[in-house]
Amino acid sequence: EAEVAQSPRYKITEKSQAVAFWCDPISGHATLYWYRQILGQGPELLVQFQDESVVDDSQLPKDRFSAERLKGVDSTLKIQPAELGDSAMYLCASSRRSAGGPSGANVLTFGAGSRLTVL
Amino acid sequence: GDSVTQMEGPVTLSEEAFLTINCTYTATGYPSLFWYVQYPGEGLQLLLKATKADDKGSNKGFEATYRKETTSFHLEKGSVQVSDSAVYFCALVNSGGYQKVTFGIGTKLQVIP
Repeated sequence: EAEVAQSPRYKITEKSQAVAFWCDPISGHATLYWYRQILGQGPELLVQFQDESVVDDSQLPKDRFSAERLKGVDSTLKIQPAELGDSAMYLCASSRRSAGGPSGANVLTFGAGSRLTVL
Repeated sequence: GDSVTQMEGPVTLSEEAFLTINCTYTATGYPSLFWYVQYPGEGLQLLLKATKADDKGSNKGFEATYRKETTSFHLEKGSVQVSDSAVYFCALVNSGGYQKVTFGIGTKLQVIP
């Protein structure tokens, strides 16, 4: 069964340092999502890509976070500088659905996540 | 904007008890509705979905019916097992644009033997 790959699984860093997460979606999935999940809360969308283009980054703290998906396949999420409040699970997901068309088919497949601890 | 409201947990049940986790939503248009499950240390997995009013999604003994009149999508299972212990997330996908997915806060279920 195809999986969404994420790395690293765990990352401990000190505040003000830079950190990066990588995601490889399921082959052929046009849409890629980065979510942040704080302990005890639901996932919060940070950025959504359609192929290589950002279609929603309204909740991405752009002063410190950046995301790219240069070739429309794998993606990197970067935080610089990291702050204590960034400690969370960072989840990547992908889906086959492209823009438009009937709703209901946009099933997300999630990776196992990258847990970040900022000290 | 779109939103999903779930009952707060944790929910603790004995094995073989009946489970209900409430979920209501606010959305424009005609969203699709989902339940995802997250086991400890893992990412989220799709449990079931419903794409239009009165649809019933089902999987692994879990069921949920899309009720447009009450804007609800409550999750039910007739007899829970210890292995069902996890966090359950209700979610919706809006019907237009790039189909943003909105999640509820999650409800933790603990089933004790």
